[in-house]
Amino acid sequence: DGGITQSPKYLFRKEGQNVTLSCEQNLNHDAMYWYRQDPGQGLRLIYYSQIVNDFQKGDIAEGYSVSREKKESFPLTVTSAQKNPTAFYLCASRRGAEGNTEAFFGQGTRLTVV
Amino acid sequence: DAKTTQPTSMDCAEGRAANLPCNHSTISGNEYVYWYRQIHSQGPQYIIHGLKNNETNEMASLIITEDRKSSTLILPHATLRDTAVYYCIANPFGGEGTSYGKLTFGQGTILTVHP
Repeated sequence: DGGITQSPKYLFRKEGQNVTLSCEQNLNHDAMYWYRQDPGQGLRLIYYSQIVNDFQKGDIAEGYSVSREKKESFPLTVTSAQKNPTAFYLCASRRGAEGNTEAFFGQGTRLTVV
Repeated sequence: DAKTTQPTSMDCAEGRAANLPCNHSTISGNEYVYWYRQIHSQGPQYIIHGLKNNETNEMASLIITEDRKSSTLILPHATLRDTAVYYCIANPFGGEGTSYGKLTFGQGTILTVHP
């Protein structure tokens, strides 16, 4: 069935290591998004992509990188430059970037860096 | 995107209507008002959206003021499972610009439904 899948649900990494979070959608959506959520806080936009091979920085892009080589995939790499990477990461997609389309979210990846 | 302002938290008794306000006084003519909710440790879920007219679906109703500077999400008969964080956001219809395609969330309102 159609949807947006994030994997893994829980991820543990040692400090100083890069880690890549997976986000896949089979909804044929053009736009995809990555958010970070800290305990008790709202969602903050990291990167977004309106179309394949194109992406833009969100509000907190420092220490993160993305790629959009395929329409259905938008992986997020948390680099060692990210000062405080432990957080809940959410991926979303929309049919298009226009304003009258709703976003669909994955179930999130909880990253813990020790 | 227009900035939205919501109360930090609200309470509601089970079975009663929950009315969640949102202020978006800087909203532009091409921005839709969207509502999502997030149950603890899950991804947000779309509820409803509107541009000018009031909207209703199986989950909720959305009342938008005539000047479009504020809106209210109404859950007509709140249940314990409606306890969640509710986000109101304004999203451009389209066109070029620095915020085209950007989808930003605020802090939301924590709604607690009690027995």
